[in-house]
Amino acid sequence: EVQLVESGGGLVQPGGSLRLSCAGSDFNFRNYWMHWVRQVPGKGLEWVSRTDPAGTVTDYADSVKGRFIVSKDNVKSTMYLQMNSLRAEDWAVYSCTRVLDGLAGHFDLWGRGTLVTVSS
Amino acid sequence: QSALTQPPSVSGSPGQSVSISCTGTSSDVGGHSRVSWLQQTPGTAPKLLISEVTKRPSGVPDRFSGSKSGSTASLTISGLQAEDEADYYCLSFTNRNTWLFGGGTKVTVL
Repeated sequence: EVQLVESGGGLVQPGGSLRLSCAGSDFNFRNYWMHWVRQVPGKGLEWVSRTDPAGTVTDYADSVKGRFIVSKDNVKSTMYLQMNSLRAEDWAVYSCTRVLDGLAGHFDLWGRGTLVTVSS
Repeated sequence: QSALTQPPSVSGSPGQSVSISCTGTSSDVGGHSRVSWLQQTPGTAPKLLISEVTKRPSGVPDRFSGSKSGSTASLTISGLQAEDEADYYCLSFTNRNTWLFGGGTKVTVL
C-alpha cells in the first residue's frame, strides 16, 4: 500500500531534543520532495520544512530555522526531522507529505502524524 | 512570516456556490502560480483539491475550482454538498523557497 507513516513523537522537556521519522512505502521515494507540516490539535496547519528528492536541499520556516534539521535517506525511504531546543510552542502533531518532482504544490499523500508534546 | 489571510468561516445551502479567498503578498500568492488548496475533515489527513492555482487532481470533483487575481487566490465550490463540510486551507510557495499556509476556513453546509 502506498503510504507515509510517521513515528518518534512523544513527551519531551523544554530545551530537549527529539527525532521524528517518516517512512514511505510502495512508491519511488527518491523521486519526491518531502515536507513536514505540523498542526496543533484544533488549530490550523503550519508548514515546517522540506527537502529535495536527493536530500541535498533543505528549507525551513522561520519558527524552526536553526533548531530543526531535515534529512532524507532514499535507501531506507525515510525522511527525518531532528528537533533541538524544543519549546512549548513546538507542541503539535507532525505530519509528512510528498510532492513529485516537477509537480509544484501537488501534495498528494499525507501521513497520519505523530504527536510531539513539549512540557516540563 | 504571517499566515495567508482566509475568512474563518463561510456557509451555504446545498446546491449553492461558495468561494474562499486567500490573500497574500507579491512575495507569495502574487509572485507565482504555486498555490494549492487542501481539504481537511476532523481527525483525518489533509486532501489535495487544487495545485498550481487551477489544476485539479484526478478524483477531485469538478465542482471544486481555483483561480487567482493579483495576490488573492480563491477556491470556489459550485453546487455545495453536505460532504463538503470541512476545513479548507490554501498553501503558497514564497520567494524565500518556503511554503506558507492560510489560517484555514471552516465551510458549513446549512
